[in-house]
Amino acid sequence: AQKVTQAQTEISVVEKEDVTLDCVYETRDTTYYLFWYKQPPSGELVFLIRRNSFDEQNEISGRYSWNFQKSTSSFNFTITASQVVDSAVYFCALSEAVGNEKLTFGTGTRLTIIP
Amino acid sequence: DADVTQTPRNRITKTGKRIMLECSQTKGHDRMYWYRQDPGLGLRLIYYSFDVKDINKGEISDGYSVSRQAQAKFSLSLESAIPNQTALYFCATSDWSGHEQYFGPGTRLTVT
Repeated sequence: AQKVTQAQTEISVVEKEDVTLDCVYETRDTTYYLFWYKQPPSGELVFLIRRNSFDEQNEISGRYSWNFQKSTSSFNFTITASQVVDSAVYFCALSEAVGNEKLTFGTGTRLTIIP
Repeated sequence: DADVTQTPRNRITKTGKRIMLECSQTKGHDRMYWYRQDPGLGLRLIYYSFDVKDINKGEISDGYSVSRQAQAKFSLSLESAIPNQTALYFCATSDWSGHEQYFGPGTRLTVT
């Protein structure tokens, strides 16, 4: 069975600080996908990134970056120079690639950016 | 217009009542999903459907049923609502690859 662990329940940082959200996963599959979603206070789920298990390159998108390390089964998310608009709950999720593409979500990390 | 819509957005109902949550999508996707979100538990899968004739139970299907009326519509029913079904419910869709799910805005359900 697959599992996603987000050990940080809540994080608060002062605006402009960098912050890293941790995600550790478990799966028996060799092929799988990892995701990050953002849930702002308005409640909708916003897709941020998808990464497949064969691509371990780090990715950067503006102030966001993701570090995927298969050796430690981790897919961490860093926000650089945080802003108040980054305040949200962030979910990491996992899906197996073939035949069972259901998402398994972590329990989320609530990030608060203090102005 | 939003690609995935959910109605109602908010609903308060009483224990024992039957309630239906509806989801419609204009993305042309075959796959649709229902999740519930509870504080501290993340999202958990209730039911999913890979096409109109294919419906499957998810992690927490007890107390729920679904109907896939058409490719674009997937409804979730609570036959006899109970207070611990109070939650935020999300519908999602994905294409044949299943690897990116698009979520609706959510329905906040309160059972008193």
